[in-house]
Amino acid sequence: SQQGEEDPQALSIQEGENATMNCSYKTSINNLQWYRQNSGRGLVHLILIRSNEREKHSGRLRVTLDTSKKSSSLLITASRAADTASYFCATDGGNQGGKLIFGQGTELSVKP
Amino acid sequence: EPEVTQTPSHQVTQMGQEVILRCVPISNHLYFYWYRQILGQKVEFLVSFYNNEISEKSEIFDDQFSVERPDGSNFTLKIRSTKLEDSAMYFCASSQTSGITGELFFGEGSRLTVL
Repeated sequence: SQQGEEDPQALSIQEGENATMNCSYKTSINNLQWYRQNSGRGLVHLILIRSNEREKHSGRLRVTLDTSKKSSSLLITASRAADTASYFCATDGGNQGGKLIFGQGTELSVKP
Repeated sequence: EPEVTQTPSHQVTQMGQEVILRCVPISNHLYFYWYRQILGQKVEFLVSFYNNEISEKSEIFDDQFSVERPDGSNFTLKIRSTKLEDSAMYFCASSQTSGITGELFFGEGSRLTVL
């Protein structure tokens, strides 16, 4: 079974709209992180939410975590064309060693 | 802002050849990782390294793979005898801590093409 499944796999919206991406996972976690990847580039950390947190904000990003449903969502408000990228959730699988388990990602396209 | 740097950005090699991918982690970080991403697929964990030894490795990280921190700055991934299926983007990452505060900082990746 796979940890960290995102949906939708692809999302296309107009600039100014909000984008919501969801992630589900299967094991216990200490934290869940969201990363962004521009095409052909490295991953950039966006936000980390701990298992005892339910919601976290960072600029135009809002992350929620529901550990009872083993799910998380990433909301990007007032999207911009520059937000076009793939977004991945990653969990630590309940381990302390720093290994992350990534989902398949959501490919977001924001049209100007 | 400190960053993780990786070289080469792209390497093309023949099947069976040895490849070394190099990484310079952020200087005050203590935990180092290699991940890979086959084109169009998700990012997969290969290995973590702390205190000059492997702390965890995945089933992908078989005897053909090895990691080394030969000096105080470089962190290398060696593939002894490359296979076609090793073609992927390889990402190095580092972190200051592990566990519940473990934000990882990734490099831009090294694209490996095995012919």
